[in-house]
Amino acid sequence: AQSVSQHNHHVILSEAASLELGCNYSYGGTVNLFWYVQYPGQHLQLLLKYFSGDPLVKGIKGFEAEFIKSKFSFNLRKPSVQWSDTAEYFCAVNGNTGRRALTFGSGTRLQVQP
Amino acid sequence: DGGITQSPKYLFRKEGQNVTLSCEQNLNHDAMYWYRQDPGQGLRLIYYSQIVNDFQKGDIAEGYSVSREKKESFPLTVTSAQKNPTAFYLCASSSTGQQNTEAFFGQGTRLTVV
Repeated sequence: AQSVSQHNHHVILSEAASLELGCNYSYGGTVNLFWYVQYPGQHLQLLLKYFSGDPLVKGIKGFEAEFIKSKFSFNLRKPSVQWSDTAEYFCAVNGNTGRRALTFGSGTRLQVQP
Repeated sequence: DGGITQSPKYLFRKEGQNVTLSCEQNLNHDAMYWYRQDPGQGLRLIYYSQIVNDFQKGDIAEGYSVSREKKESFPLTVTSAQKNPTAFYLCASSSTGQQNTEAFFGQGTRLTVV
């Protein structure tokens, strides 16, 4: 069975600080990887995704993530956070065959202080 | 506008009553999903459907039922058998192509059982 672990449950940063949120997954085949964001009061939105190719993927709002296959990781990064990045971030995974539904991590709540 | 519509946004029910949550999509997606979101637990898959007239149990299907009679619609019924129904429910849809499995989410329904 596939699973996703997000080890940082609550992160507090000051504006302009750098961000890295950890995500590790367990899956037996070829994976697709995603980061979603949920801003307060808004629906879940896709930040970025990895299907194949360049393991460094860039998403919206200056976010990027690196797929490291040997470590089963897909960490999210941003060089300089803003107050508007305050949100909950979810890592998710699915495969190309069988059950296609996304499996999500438990989420990381990011609080950026002005 | 294309998207996923969940209704209602807030729902209150008495304990022991069944309640049905609506989810409609106009994205022409084959696959639809129901997730439950609880604080600190991320999103957990309740049911999913990859094609009309077919659906599969997810990880926490007990106490829930679904139907998929139309491509656009995937209603979820929370039955009286669900032991802890108060939660935030999210509906999603996606295509079923090999690399187009990004899921799009609705605004969610917050169900409170009193």
